[in-house]
Order: sequence, then C-alpha cells, then structure tokens
Amino acid sequence: GESVGLHLPTLSVQEGDNSIINCAYSNSASDYFIWYKQESGKGPQFIIDIRSNMDKRQGQRVTVLLNKTVKHLSLQIAATQPGDSAVYFCAENIGDYGQNFVFGPGTRLSVLP
Amino acid sequence: DAGITQSPRHKVTETGTPVTLRCHQTENHRYMYWYRQDPGHGLRLIHYSYGVKDTDKGEVSDGYSVSRSKTEDFLLTLESATSSQTSVYFCAISGGSSMPNTGELFFGEGSRLTVL
Repeated sequence: GESVGLHLPTLSVQEGDNSIINCAYSNSASDYFIWYKQESGKGPQFIIDIRSNMDKRQGQRVTVLLNKTVKHLSLQIAATQPGDSAVYFCAENIGDYGQNFVFGPGTRLSVLP
Repeated sequence: DAGITQSPRHKVTETGTPVTLRCHQTENHRYMYWYRQDPGHGLRLIHYSYGVKDTDKGEVSDGYSVSRSKTEDFLLTLESATSSQTSVYFCAISGGSSMPNTGELFFGEGSRLTVL
C-alpha cells in the first residue's frame, strides 16, 4: 500500500495500554482541529474534532485535549487495540473552511501484542 | 465510506508524459480538493473546486491543472510529469450539496504516482 512516511516519529504501546499522541500546531489563530487516522494503503479517516472554545472532547475510546496557550493538541486512545495501529495526524484550520486546513506530518502508532 | 473513488490507484509513467487522475464522488458535495502526501510532509493542497467550473489554487499548484465539468468529477492533470511529482495523491470532499465547505474533510483512498 501507499507509505505515508518513512521517517515518522513512532509510538509503540502494549495492547491494552493507553496511548497519547501529541501535535504542536502552528497558528495561534487556528480555531478548528481534527485528528485523522491513516492505515497503510488507505485514505485518512476522521477520528474526532474540537473547536477552540473547548479544551477537551471525548469520543468512543478517544479523547482530544487542546491547550491553546502552548498551541498543543493531544489524542488519547484508551485500551489500545491492534486495529489502532496506523499513522495519526492532526489538522488545524482557520475559519473552518476546507481549503484552509494545515496538516501535521503524523505519528506512527505501533501496537505490540 | 464517503463515496469517493479515485482512479487510477497506481500509475507509473515517464518524465514528460501527461497524466490525469480522476476523483469521482457520489455524495453530491459542492467542494472537492486534491492533495499530495510526501514523506516528512503533511498533506498539501494542490487545487480545490467550489463548484462546476469553479476552481482555485492551493499551496503547491505549480505543474498541475484541474477541471470540474460535473459535480461528481474532479480531474487533476500533470501536463508534463516530473520526478518531483512522484507522490501519493488524495482527493477529498467537504460540506454538502448546499452547505458551506466547513467541517471535516472526507478522503478517497489515494492514487500512487511514480514518475521515472
């Protein structure tokens, strides 16, 4: 399948443990953020989003935290499973228009048995 | 599944040849995008479209052109492919048929292009 990055930072976690993936975004004016998951050979899939008027949002097994002071976003995955192995990247947006998204290079999550 | 189909999924071509990638959507979304994805970089916007015959440039548009003659199809053309255009290309859609292009982007499965 398509390789999304040969030299991405990698996070290795044991199956069942919690994972935390971090992202530093670039623009203090960004007001909408998304986490995407990309499996090998596939397109990015939406996981969870958050707007700048929030600092935390929870989904099913995932939580996104936003720290606007230091321009930092994190994705927490609870009870990590083998199917969570993928590249995860954040996207920031100003004004919430599709053409304004700026994407991070991503982190590869590897789940160990 | 966001109803986005890209073709071809894989293509190998030679420097100087023209290449066209097709994105087809069944969602009747107004906004469509072409991105490229390269190692060490995030997705970068090439061109986007906000309606039939309405397109605009993105961050890395040099060497690429697009066309949108129907709502469902967005074509990306490399008039004369170069090795620097070897990449994985993703099509995306956003919004709805009459909504603004806000919210999440839905992506296709990608097209891997190798220019020798």
